[in-house]
Order: sequence, then C-alpha cells, then structure tokens
Amino acid sequence: EVQLLESGGGLVQPGGSLRLSCAASGFTFSSYAMSWVRQAPGKGLEWVSLISGSGGSTYYADSVKGRFTISRDNSKNTLYLQMNSLRAEDTAVYYCAKTRISSGSSNMDVWGQGTTVTVSS
Amino acid sequence: DIQMTQSPSSLSASVGDRVTITCRASQSISSYLNWYQQKPGKAPKLLIYSASSLQIGVPSRFSGSGSGTDFTLTISGLQPEDFATYYCQQSYTTPRMVTFGPGTKVDIK
Repeated sequence: EVQLLESGGGLVQPGGSLRLSCAASGFTFSSYAMSWVRQAPGKGLEWVSLISGSGGSTYYADSVKGRFTISRDNSKNTLYLQMNSLRAEDTAVYYCAKTRISSGSSNMDVWGQGTTVTVSS
Repeated sequence: DIQMTQSPSSLSASVGDRVTITCRASQSISSYLNWYQQKPGKAPKLLIYSASSLQIGVPSRFSGSGSGTDFTLTISGLQPEDFATYYCQQSYTTPRMVTFGPGTKVDIK
C-alpha cells in the first residue's frame, strides 16, 4: 500500500524553527517528485515547495522562499521541510504529496494525513 | 502568476442531483488542470488530472472537461459520500508555483 506519514509538527514561537518529515512506503520513492502543500485554519490549499526525485532540483512558493528548505533522503525514503524564521501566517496543516510529473504537467496522487504547525507566542 | 477562481463558492444539493463546478484560469493553461476532493479533517484526494482523466479508483460519476481557461467538474448522481470541498489546481507552471482555486463546498440541501 502506498503511504505517506508526516511528523514533526508542533507549537513554535515566531522566529523559531521546525523540521517536518514525511516517511514514504509502498512505491519507489526516488522515482517521484515530492511536494509540500499547506492549509491554514479554515482556508484553502497552498502549494509550498517541490523537489525532484533525485533531489537535485527544488522549487518554492514566494511566501516561503529563503526561509524554508525542502530536501529528501532517498536511502531512507523520507522527505523533509526545514522551516526557519517562522511567522504567524505559517500556521497550517502541512501535507506531503507524491507528485507525478509528465509532459510538462503534474498532479499529486497520494497525500499524507498532515501535520499541524502552530506559530504563536 | 496564474490565478484560479471557482464558482460557486458553495452549493447545496440533494442525493442524486447532477452537480457542476466551474474553474477559471487567469490565462490559458491548456489542459493542465486537476481536481481534488477534501473532506473535513482529511487530506485532499485526487479525482481528475489533465482536465478530463479519471484517477484510478475514482467512481465514474465524476468527470472533468475543458481546456484553455474554462473547466468544469461534474458529479452525475451525487452520493452521500460526495459532500465535501472541491479544489481545482493548475499545473501549467509545473514545477514552479502550481496554484489551487479557492474551493467549492458541496453540502446537503
């Protein structure tokens, strides 16, 4: 069974840091790009970041560029999101998603259950 | 940046109804449009990709159409488990800055 399991969320003060993890199973992890998507309380979905299967290419939303770093360890089938300089507006449920890219298009066909990040003093 | 809008923002419908949700892009995105379903407290689920391709395991009452800037998601014969929020997402700018629509909440009349 294809599965993604996020962890690492919690309560952090503004300006603090947090690292999220996403453990993958049931598919060849290194063959797929992976994304992070977040959802603020009561709001819609916002794409945060994407990393290629090899880890050699990374992309970020303008709202997190320079503060968040996406990475992966293909030997451990694990995706990460290092979040620094956290702001109140980063409060959200963070989802990791297996991302299929083909012929210039993409879609997120498997999602984790999400991990909650709360930025508050 | 490509902006996505959806209409309506919410709708009330009965079991068995045919429901249509519209998604519009601020510029042409060819057929690079996906639809997701999200139930409260749950992760989104991919329903339709590339505007009209049904994801494996998704019931055939869900269908998608459109290209360019205008797209529709149709549910033919609404079932109790279909009450949820539906999001469109453009992937024209893949791998950079893919954007979601604001969502359409479908609830019980």
